[in-house]
Amino acid sequence: KQEVTQIPAALSVPEGENLVLNCSFTDSAIYNLQWFRQDPGKGLTSLLLIQSSQREQTSGRLNASLDKSSGRSTLYIAASQPGDSATYLCAVISGYSTLTFGKGTMLLVSP
Amino acid sequence: NAGVTQTPKFQVLKTGQSMTLQCAQDMNHEYMSWYRQDPGMGLRLIHYSVGAGITDQGEVPNGYNVSRSTTEDFPLRLLSAAPSQTSVYFCASSYSRGVKPQHFGDGTRLSIL
Repeated sequence: KQEVTQIPAALSVPEGENLVLNCSFTDSAIYNLQWFRQDPGKGLTSLLLIQSSQREQTSGRLNASLDKSSGRSTLYIAASQPGDSATYLCAVISGYSTLTFGKGTMLLVSP
Repeated sequence: NAGVTQTPKFQVLKTGQSMTLQCAQDMNHEYMSWYRQDPGMGLRLIHYSVGAGITDQGEVPNGYNVSRSTTEDFPLRLLSAAPSQTSVYFCASSYSRGVKPQHFGDGTRLSIL
């Protein structure tokens, strides 16, 4: 059974810092990995999708990497802003396009 | 383009009542799925569908039924509501196996008294 772990569970940083969120998974037979953002009381917003054959994806200040063989992904956020405060979820797809989620990293960026 | 639409947004039920959570997508996606999100448990898969007429169970299917008669709609039925089904329910859809991002609805917040 696929298991996804996210570290740290919570993170508090001052505005402007660069930060890294970690995600690990137990079964390397994945189709892709997706990072989401969830604001309190809201749904999930897709940030980045990395195919299993790719090493990384970038969108603006966000960069996600994937090391499939070691079962790890990182989400790098550059020059963090208070608006980045949210819970970040990592999910892997293995099988019929269904997701296995980590429990998330709750990020707070202080002005 | 509305994306994935879930209704209702909020619902309170009494134990033993039944109800249907609606999910509709207008992107012609093949794959649709239902997840529940609970504190400390993360999101867990309830049921999923790979196309009209085809459904299968996920990690936590007990107490829920699904059917998919059209590509657009994938309703989730609670047969006899229990307090343990108090949760936030999310519907998701995507084009194909892992090639494109998954799209999520805004969720249905369900309380069972």
